[in-house]
Amino acid sequence: EAGVAQSPRYKIIEKRQSVAFWCNPISGHATLYWYQQILGQGPKLLIQFQNNGVVDDSQLPKDRFSAERLKGVDSTLKIQPAKLEDSAVYLCASSAPDRALNMATFGSGTRLTVV
Amino acid sequence: AQTVTQSQPEMSVQEAETVTLSCTYDTSESDYYLFWYKQPPSRQMILVIRQEAYKQQNATENRFSVNFQKAAKSFSLKISDSQLGDAAMYFCATDWGAQKLVFGQGTRLTINP
Repeated sequence: EAGVAQSPRYKIIEKRQSVAFWCNPISGHATLYWYQQILGQGPKLLIQFQNNGVVDDSQLPKDRFSAERLKGVDSTLKIQPAKLEDSAVYLCASSAPDRALNMATFGSGTRLTVV
Repeated sequence: AQTVTQSQPEMSVQEAETVTLSCTYDTSESDYYLFWYKQPPSRQMILVIRQEAYKQQNATENRFSVNFQKAAKSFSLKISDSQLGDAAMYFCATDWGAQKLVFGQGTRLTINP
């Protein structure tokens, strides 16, 4: 089966600019996650969707970050305006809703550099 | 709150030898899973092995096995017959709530030829 697709792979922007990342999960996976991985750290959950509804966005900096999942499939994560501390890898993952079968599959991420 | 701690920032091992990566965790959940993920330079997080907390038997996947000590909240990964392709960052993680993952800081594993 095809994996989780993410684009772009790399992005360099200046602070205060805006940026958007795209994710296409594995077909049939109802749950979609966005994680932020700062260099030298483990990934941290930003937002979790179940179909097109938000399950948890408690760690999403809502003053500058937004995310949507239209029609319960593809998702976009946006940052506006970007800050230097937003430099990180943004990982998208998806999983089946059955926890017994749950093995979150990750994409290759987008590396964002804010200068 | 769930926390995961990996106390070894870096580890190295000779090719074909055995290495053990440590992980401790804290959770208020009674039903949870534990995972080890591998992250090569390609950045994709690859599931290596997972353990269901209610199962006493340690999980094994080919050369990878875990030592799960529930009372001590310890979940170490043993890699036998290390291969050059095993070199990567390794992350320990636990899930909570609606299948959300909490990760440790990671251990960088180097394989010496």
